[in-house]
Amino acid sequence: NAGVTQTPKFQVLKTGQSMTLQCAQDMNHNSMYWYRQDPGMGLRLIYYSASEGTTDKGEVPNGYNVSRLNKREFSLRLESAAPSQTSVYFCASSFGGVTGELFFGEGSRLTVL
Amino acid sequence: AQSVTQLGSHVSVSEGALVLLRCNYSSSVPPYLFWYVQYPNQGLQLLLKYTTGATLVKGINGFEAEFKKSETSFHLTKPSAHMSDAAEYFCAVNQGGKLIFGQGTELSVKP
Repeated sequence: NAGVTQTPKFQVLKTGQSMTLQCAQDMNHNSMYWYRQDPGMGLRLIYYSASEGTTDKGEVPNGYNVSRLNKREFSLRLESAAPSQTSVYFCASSFGGVTGELFFGEGSRLTVL
Repeated sequence: AQSVTQLGSHVSVSEGALVLLRCNYSSSVPPYLFWYVQYPNQGLQLLLKYTTGATLVKGINGFEAEFKKSETSFHLTKPSAHMSDAAEYFCAVNQGGKLIFGQGTELSVKP
């Protein structure tokens, strides 16, 4: 069972470079999410997609864009990376609603120099 | 907006001792509450969740949590810690289909 798959797992960028984090789920989930994890700050929601064709901003959307390519895939793009975006990024998916469990990928560690 | 606060960024217990990780929530409506665990270099996985009904919720690996509306709390407990419980634990509240997480508590277990 693949679950939620994120690529790449590690990436080093220079300030100003762009990149896209890819996420795919095989559980037929409706909702998908991108979080970032920083020490002492827990996980903060960047963007989410409640269903195919919709995306909404979370707590910390500045500097990011997302695309819900289809029901399975949800990508996160950094157009001009900044050192403040050094973090571990997690993609998650769920059936949605207020009681739905989120299933997480293993994370993508991004360093911006 | 709903939020959760975890008291203590780091908790250390001896193997076999009681584990108590604290979580308080802020919500004007009945909350849906979750505890997740993150082992080193892994993603998060669900320990347990409270939606409605019984206020004492049992989860995986011997953990349980009690929803106390009067105290706005959802503390996580385990009677006897095991070395394999060393991890980071996150409390979360569902806000309109999105999970909002607390800051996390790192649990260390001493032999």
